[in-house]
Amino acid sequence: QITLKESGPTLVKPTQTLTLTCTFSGFSLSTDGVGVAWIRQPPGKPLEWLALVYWDDDKRYSPSLRSRLTITGDTSKNQVVLTMTNMDPADSATYFCAHKPHGTSCLFYWGPGTLVTVSS
Amino acid sequence: QSVLTQPPSVSGAPGQKVTISCTGSSSNIGALYDVHWYQQLPGTAPKLLIHGNSNRPSGVPDRFSGSMSGTSASLAITGLQSEDEADYYCQSYDNSLRGVVFGGGTKLTVL
Repeated sequence: QITLKESGPTLVKPTQTLTLTCTFSGFSLSTDGVGVAWIRQPPGKPLEWLALVYWDDDKRYSPSLRSRLTITGDTSKNQVVLTMTNMDPADSATYFCAHKPHGTSCLFYWGPGTLVTVSS
Repeated sequence: QSVLTQPPSVSGAPGQKVTISCTGSSSNIGALYDVHWYQQLPGTAPKLLIHGNSNRPSGVPDRFSGSMSGTSASLAITGLQSEDEADYYCQSYDNSLRGVVFGGGTKLTVL
């Protein structure tokens, strides 16, 4: 059974750096073809893909946010960490992590999401 | 604005059929990258509904079906039920952006 869960601060101040952790079980990030993605959704707005780390440590980022994002996978802890620098109120959103299985680009399992508010 | 284009809303009466379109380009759907569909109920995480253009994960009713042609894909829902009222998103891969792309989402209202 695959599960993922996001954790991190619920409130950050403008200009601060956000660090979110995705803790997962039921799969290994070292398995061929597997990946973990981060996606966000501002209130009332659509899903926006942020970053993806693959089993071989290949990392992909949304071109519009690339300069602010870092994704890191820790296979020993079954965790994927996302950092986003220079937070702005426009970054307020629910942040999801999701599992990408081998052989497909779909995001099969999702965590419940964590709401992050950016405010002074 | 999203790389994949979906209608903002669709509606239908119980029992009817609705179709949601997802239009891309030559760098994503047109390049034959798979299209996937998600259902998002209010206040919950998206749930995978269709993967690989037309495949339903276990537990998804066969009222939901997906297809792809050219640079577009479609999600069809037959026998509409009130519990189908949700937001629906398409997703693919884009080789120009080298990453995941989503549609802007479509809100389904069951009249």
